[in-house]
Amino acid sequence: AQSVTQLGSHVSVSEGALVLLRCNYSSSVPPYLFWYVQYPNQGLQLLLKYTTGATLVKGINGFEAEFKKSETSFHLTKPSAHMSDAAEYFCAVSGGTALIFGKGTTLSVSS
Amino acid sequence: DTGVSQDPRHKITKRGQNVTFRCDPISEHNRLYWYRQTLGQGPEFLTYFQNEAQLEKSRLLSDRFSAERPKGSFSTLEIQRTEQGDSAMYLCASSLVVRVISTDTQYFGPGTRLTVL
Repeated sequence: AQSVTQLGSHVSVSEGALVLLRCNYSSSVPPYLFWYVQYPNQGLQLLLKYTTGATLVKGINGFEAEFKKSETSFHLTKPSAHMSDAAEYFCAVSGGTALIFGKGTTLSVSS
Repeated sequence: DTGVSQDPRHKITKRGQNVTFRCDPISEHNRLYWYRQTLGQGPEFLTYFQNEAQLEKSRLLSDRFSAERPKGSFSTLEIQRTEQGDSAMYLCASSLVVRVISTDTQYFGPGTRLTVL
């Protein structure tokens, strides 16, 4: 069985500050891990993914995430937040077919 | 635009009516997924197709729900005798899987928001 826990349903940062969104997963098989972003009334856009190989994964819009097997974590970071980063972020795990999503973290960015 | 498209974007219906949604995947993608997302939650898997074959169904997919993917292209999701609890965003995603062990990177459409009155 697989599951995802996103710590913190709401994160607020100032523009230019570090963004850190936390994700812990549980998986009985080697996981594929994903971060998606969702803007209001829209579908999900893929930010980045981890499959195998390099544990530090770079994605679009300056985001990156590090796979830490020992901690079962896949936290999302961005060095400097922009106002346009305000959105809902979802971490997801897969064993090769259906994605299992966390409940999401709403990121607010203030000027 | 070559992304996943869904139609309609919004649907308002009365309890007890039937509704049908359509999803057009990215061209040449062989897998197609349906998810349901309720307010404040992440998407939940409903079912998926590999080409025209429906390979997996979630327990969330009650007998009032049916999905098809004729000819392995577009897909339809039908809900019969809608209930207020069916109100949600219905998301479609597609992917290309070329090997048995392969990353299944799913690309999502904009969703269909269903409101059941």
